Amino acid sequence: DEQLLESGGGLVQPGGSLRLSCAASGFTFSNYAMNWVRQAPGKGLEWVSEISSSGDSTYYADSVRGRFTISRDNSKNTLYLHMHNLRAEDTAVYYCAKDLWVGATGLGLDYWGQGTLLTVSS
Amino acid sequence: QSALTQPASVSGSPGQSITISCTGFSSDVAGYNYVSWYQQHPGNAPKLMVYDVNARPSGVSTRFSGSKSGNTASLTISGLQAEDEADYFCSSYSSGSVYVFGTGTKVTVL
Repeated sequence: DEQLLESGGGLVQPGGSLRLSCAASGFTFSNYAMNWVRQAPGKGLEWVSEISSSGDSTYYADSVRGRFTISRDNSKNTLYLHMHNLRAEDTAVYYCAKDLWVGATGLGLDYWGQGTLLTVSS
Repeated sequence: QSALTQPASVSGSPGQSITISCTGFSSDVAGYNYVSWYQQHPGNAPKLMVYDVNARPSGVSTRFSGSKSGNTASLTISGLQAEDEADYFCSSYSSGSVYVFGTGTKVTVL
């Protein structure tokens, strides 16, 4: 079965940095684009970033561009989100999610991890 | 990257049908047939229910169906059941941001 397991969340002070990880199993990780989606407490879903299957192409929401960097290590089946200059409004559960089709982006997210909570507060 | 607009809440009695709307723009819903819908129960991760406007992943009940007209997509749940009570989010491919999500709709089974 396909599985995604996020880790790395926690409490960070405003202006701080953190790296989230997402370990994938049960599918050929290197064939699929991957995403980070976040959900602030009691709020809706917000797409954060996507990386192509090879890692050559990356995309970001305006709210995080220039502060967050998405990357992947296909040899370790792991997705990362490097977050810098964190703000209170970045507080959320961060989910990693797999794109639906091989080699495609933006067409649907068929598997999601259980999420990791980031809290930005002093 | 404005969020797609959904009603905050929709309710229905068991066995009834309900429809959730999702209104976007020419850069997303109206421009592409890549609307998807997600169900999220409290404390759980979202689950893909519909993709490509009206396709269902394997294992998703046929009671869930999608459609689109212009800049508005819709999810219909027929034969409403207690287990359908959850939050529902639409999403679309967007030329401006890859994915854009809807504001979310809380479905209550009366």
